[in-house]
Amino acid sequence: QKEVEQDPGPLSVPEGAIVSLNCTYSNSAFQYFMWYRQYSRKGPELLMYTYSSGNKEDGRFTAQVDKSSKYISLFIRDSQPSDSATYLCALGGRGFQKLVFGTGTRLLVSP
Amino acid sequence: DTGVSQDPRHKITKRGQNVTFRCDPISEHNRLYWYRQTLGQGPEFLTYFQNEAQLEKSRLLSDRFSAERPKGSFSTLEIQRTEQGDSAMYLCASSLGVGVGHQPQHFGDGTRLSIL
Repeated sequence: QKEVEQDPGPLSVPEGAIVSLNCTYSNSAFQYFMWYRQYSRKGPELLMYTYSSGNKEDGRFTAQVDKSSKYISLFIRDSQPSDSATYLCALGGRGFQKLVFGTGTRLLVSP
Repeated sequence: DTGVSQDPRHKITKRGQNVTFRCDPISEHNRLYWYRQTLGQGPEFLTYFQNEAQLEKSRLLSDRFSAERPKGSFSTLEIQRTEQGDSAMYLCASSLGVGVGHQPQHFGDGTRLSIL
């Protein structure tokens, strides 16, 4: 079993839809939770970062962490074609050295 | 551009050759990381430096791989006697670490290695 599980998709939605992306994890030692966006042939770009359970909002993006269920989510409101990319969840332990990534979910937003 | 810079962007080489990649982190960042990403997978951790000290290495980093960060600034990753399985995107990231303080990692656009 992988430490972090993420559905690879692809997830196809129409423009304007609310998108929900999720990861589950097995190691309760993870304390830091991040979402990265990766366009084709580019490096991962940090979108959201949190270290506690609850919600964090930034513009159209909301990150949600439920440590008791070992479940993290990213919601995208009013999705745009420019949001079409692969979304990677990444988890870090105490000291925040190496990150453990999910496989990434490919999102396609059609006009 | 003050982000993480990697060079070259793409390297094509024959099996058995040696290759070296360079990473220039964000200037004030004291931590530097190398990851490897294959098609359809998330990045996998290879190794990590704090200043010039290499503090952790993954078991993915075989004896053919070596990384250095000689003056705590830029870093190089060398692969000797390349194999087909080394074909991947090699990503560098950097962050600001103060004690056990937590700052997220910022990534470069990677070096894509293709082994013929």
